Amino acid sequence: NAGVTQTPKFQVLKTGQSMTLQCAQDMNHNSMYWYRQDPGMGLRLIYYSASEGTTDKGEVPNGYNVSRLNKREFSLRLESAAPSQTSVYFCASSERGRAQPQHFGDGTRLSIL
Amino acid sequence: DQQVKQNSPSLSVQEGRISILNCDYTNSMFDYFLWYKKYPAEGPTFLISISSIKDKNEDGRFTVFLNKSAKHLSLHIVPSQPGDSAVYFCAANSGGSNYKLTFGKGTLLTVNP
Repeated sequence: NAGVTQTPKFQVLKTGQSMTLQCAQDMNHNSMYWYRQDPGMGLRLIYYSASEGTTDKGEVPNGYNVSRLNKREFSLRLESAAPSQTSVYFCASSERGRAQPQHFGDGTRLSIL
Repeated sequence: DQQVKQNSPSLSVQEGRISILNCDYTNSMFDYFLWYKKYPAEGPTFLISISSIKDKNEDGRFTVFLNKSAKHLSLHIVPSQPGDSAVYFCAANSGGSNYKLTFGKGTLLTVNP
């Protein structure tokens, strides 16, 4: 029972390189999310996809793009990585509805030099 | 401006005693609140939630209290166990959907044997 799977778990990039973080869920959830967590900070929403075929900006979308490839997969792309994007990235999924909690993957730790 | 505040970065309690984690919010539009627990190198996991139409919700050893007039909620863990040692995040949303969660910065709970 995998839940939400994120790849890779760790990555080091140089400034200006591009990178796609992958996320897949096997719970048949409609909604998927990307967050970043910085030291001493809570999680901040980057982008979300309420359902297959839709994506919307969250709190901190600048410098990122997303693709909802199908119902299972939601990817996050950094086109030109910057040191300020060094962070731990979490993907989550949920069913629709106020009382439906989000289920998180174990994160991708990304360092940009 | 932080809309969800967890003013205690850390809390230490003895095994068997009560742990009380606090959370304040400033956005009066928030009407659904959640607590997540996070172990190192793992993603957050949902713990318990409460709607603004209630003032208390209980699940086993975990109880969440909501004081709407004070814009304050708290998570009580009784009795505390060493396995409860983790970072606890308070989160809130509004508008009838579960898409945009606003997280606090988290409180590190340490339960000493």
